[in-house]
Amino acid sequence: DAGVTQSPTHLIKTRGQQVTLRCSPKSGHDTVSWYQQALGQGPQFIFQYYEEEERQRGNFPDRFSGHQFPNYSSELNVNALLLGDSALYLCASSRDTSGRSPFFGPGTRLTVL
Amino acid sequence: DAKTTQPNSMESNEEEPVHLPCNHSTISGTDYIHWYRQLPSQGPEYVIHGLTSNVNNRMASLAIAEDRKSSTLILHRATLRDAAVYYCILRDPRGSGGSNYKLTFGKGTLLTVNP
Repeated sequence: DAGVTQSPTHLIKTRGQQVTLRCSPKSGHDTVSWYQQALGQGPQFIFQYYEEEERQRGNFPDRFSGHQFPNYSSELNVNALLLGDSALYLCASSRDTSGRSPFFGPGTRLTVL
Repeated sequence: DAKTTQPNSMESNEEEPVHLPCNHSTISGTDYIHWYRQLPSQGPEYVIHGLTSNVNNRMASLAIAEDRKSSTLILHRATLRDAAVYYCILRDPRGSGGSNYKLTFGKGTLLTVNP
């Protein structure tokens, strides 16, 4: 079992551009959550997807959007990038109704210049 | 979201026990107490969780106060590989349209282990 995988591992963009990050959940998991972790801070919840729908959302602007596919994988899209969007973006997966704690991927490091 | 309070940093010596405290005075009856740790340049790693009773697993033990307003993560013999940021998190698993898996992280406790 490969666990939660994310791609790419690193990414450099410039202000105003758009970015798409990808996540494959752990085998058997159907729920995906995304987090943003700025340097020196704890991860901040962006949103959670289940059954291809956004179920919960944190305090992030509409520039942050996502998608979940029938195979449970997910994408995080960020439009009109700002310097402050530079962070480690983490994906976590879980199996609904399992009650078990989410598993995290290694993250994608996004740098906005 | 109920809030947790942890010390910013703690230091330990290798092969000694470590007790990492967490205060959560506003915890609700349905909140589970979770601990995650994050090693440098990695995603958070699940350590342990509990509701009311003390819990043990291969990584650590979780001691929960009787009033549930505080808890302590216990590493029985710290190793250099245990050096990480440890996060204490409360989670209510109930959600609408699927379970709630939102985790609200604070800044955590940076654990340094001395050889």
